[in-house]
Amino acid sequence: DAGVIQSPRHEVTEMGQEVTLRCKPISGHNSLFWYRQTMMRGLELLIYFNNNVPIDDSGMPEDRFSAKMPNASFSTLKIQPSEPRDSAVYFCASSFSRDVNEQFFGPGTRLTVL
Amino acid sequence: AQRVTQPEKLLSVFKGAPVELKCNYSYSGSPELFWYVQYSRQRLQLLLRHISRESIKGFTADLNKGETSFHLKKPFAQEEDSAMYYCALGGNYQLIWGAGTKLIIKP
Repeated sequence: DAGVIQSPRHEVTEMGQEVTLRCKPISGHNSLFWYRQTMMRGLELLIYFNNNVPIDDSGMPEDRFSAKMPNASFSTLKIQPSEPRDSAVYFCASSFSRDVNEQFFGPGTRLTVL
Repeated sequence: AQRVTQPEKLLSVFKGAPVELKCNYSYSGSPELFWYVQYSRQRLQLLLRHISRESIKGFTADLNKGETSFHLKKPFAQEEDSAMYYCALGGNYQLIWGAGTKLIIKP
């Protein structure tokens, strides 16, 4: 297994543009997490899915952010419109729901909004 | 409220010196604590969890319920230990993360 796969690895966009980040969890994992990492705030949980259903989205900063998980092998995080303050590294992680605390992280997407 | 505190943003020690990365937590129930590590250009990964009582890469961490601490220790630091270290508390369905400590091992 290649582990959690994220794409793109790097994204540079202009303010106001739509950004879509993608994640493929480890096969068989039924919990999925989206995180944002910045120097100022560290690692922040944005949203948590279990069996493709969003369980907790209280970390999503505002309505500009949305996340979907249409099936067990794919999730997206969308920012529309993007702003410079959204610049960060976005991580996706997956785990088995019976052990959500052992999370396997993807390589991250480094987003720069100009 | 559930909380994890890592008081040091940056810790710099010389190779061969002992290392202690501090972690304190606030939790009303029976806690489950973890240390995750992120090496340069690598993925964030689980280093150790308190219930396993293992020593991983020479690191150990003991849960002290009286002091509500879970400090990460290594007797002799190596240059390859330089990384970002996160302490995390297992909640109902998610991890509660500390702010992280950047460990730099000087040659």
